[in-house]
Amino acid sequence: SQQGEEDPQALSIQEGENATMNCSYKTSINNLQWYRQNSGRGLVHLILIRSNEREKHSGRLRVTLDTSKKSSSLLITASRAADTASYFCATAFSGGYNKLIFGAGTRLAVHP
Amino acid sequence: NAGVTQTPKFQVLKTGQSMTLQCAQDMNHNSMYWYRQDPGMGLRLIYYSASEGTTDKGEVPNGYNVSRLNKREFSLRLESAAPSQTSVYFCASSGPGGAFTGELFFGEGSRLTVL
Repeated sequence: SQQGEEDPQALSIQEGENATMNCSYKTSINNLQWYRQNSGRGLVHLILIRSNEREKHSGRLRVTLDTSKKSSSLLITASRAADTASYFCATAFSGGYNKLIFGAGTRLAVHP
Repeated sequence: NAGVTQTPKFQVLKTGQSMTLQCAQDMNHNSMYWYRQDPGMGLRLIYYSASEGTTDKGEVPNGYNVSRLNKREFSLRLESAAPSQTSVYFCASSGPGGAFTGELFFGEGSRLTVL
């Protein structure tokens, strides 16, 4: 089964609103990463947060990590129509494996 | 820079046919990966290669074989295609330390339909 589970599966908001997506995972991690995928395209890396970090910012993105709850959240502030995409969390196991396991993603629609 | 290049972009096969998906990266990365993406299921790891000369199974390796031809190239082969292998396939690469130290860079995907 997949390591990460995103919530919600789909999110529809208006431009200017904030969008929050959540991710839960099952086992100990080295880091957690968030990716974005526009329709019909490859994935693009957004942000990486390590297991010893609690919060990270990049532009309008804010990521939090709670290792005690095995969960992370991605906040996009002041959303734009161009933010419409699918967002995936992915985890790198701390067990010595050099690989990234993805969740099923959240589909975000931002309406003008 | 081209980044990660996948060929072909589209392919239609009949059940039982074989084919190879090609992937090349020009970033001098050690690690390379093959994922498949099915509707509503996100990406699932098929195989990965931590360095030239090594390959390891991921979550869903059955029905696939891989070859790390050199540092740049990592191919995925379907020996006898099945309709369940209809999917979008993504190749990715990452620098030293792989997923432990940094991001993955993805190609644009190869859309495979098996009839």
